[in-house]
Amino acid sequence: EIVLTQSPATLSLSPGERATLSCRASQSVSSYLAWYQQKPGQAPRLLIYDASNRATGIPARFSGSGSGTDFTLTISSLEPEDFAVYYCQQRSNYVTFGQGTKVEIK
Amino acid sequence: QVQLVQSGAEVKKPGASVKVSCKVSGYTLTELSMHWVRQAPGKGLEWMGGFDPEDGETIYAQKFQGRVTMTEDTSTDTAYMELSSLRSEDTAVYYCATIITGMTYWFDPWGQGTLVTVSS
Repeated sequence: EIVLTQSPATLSLSPGERATLSCRASQSVSSYLAWYQQKPGQAPRLLIYDASNRATGIPARFSGSGSGTDFTLTISSLEPEDFAVYYCQQRSNYVTFGQGTKVEIK
Repeated sequence: QVQLVQSGAEVKKPGASVKVSCKVSGYTLTELSMHWVRQAPGKGLEWMGGFDPEDGETIYAQKFQGRVTMTEDTSTDTAYMELSSLRSEDTAVYYCATIITGMTYWFDPWGQGTLVTVSS
């Protein structure tokens, strides 16, 4: 099983600041990685797929990068609605999710 | 666009089974590859299994093999996930999440979730 390790567990930032979230895979997943956003009481929402492509309707302040084992989700300038939990997911070998990074208001 | 509507919350006793449904609209079920993901209270996302269009079979996460069954009724465009031998650790929100076969490869959209509570 491919293990995805996300860091940090919690990110405390203010609106307008830049957020950088990391996802590391236990073995190469090529570019078969996605990022999801989840707000309390809601289902996850697809943000980024194939490591760097924004899903339909996702604002340009969200960007993804990386390949192989190291991936990054960047939110260039945090809006109030961006405070949530973010998960990475791979589909290179079955499906696994990272444990999540919570972006909270500082 | 695809919409997924799941069945309502369930309360089950340990050892029982639960069957959660996921009704599709906007597409037919035959155009989709349905998967199931669960989330225990305050925890992360855990993939349970789903349809692999490359093999034409349903694949299950090793953790749930032998205890979970995923089926589809194409006449009503409804997918089902049945989990047996329930224990307290199975208390979670269960989501269906879909891939549009041949067009996308990522879970989008998701159902609203179904809370399953296992308690004696």
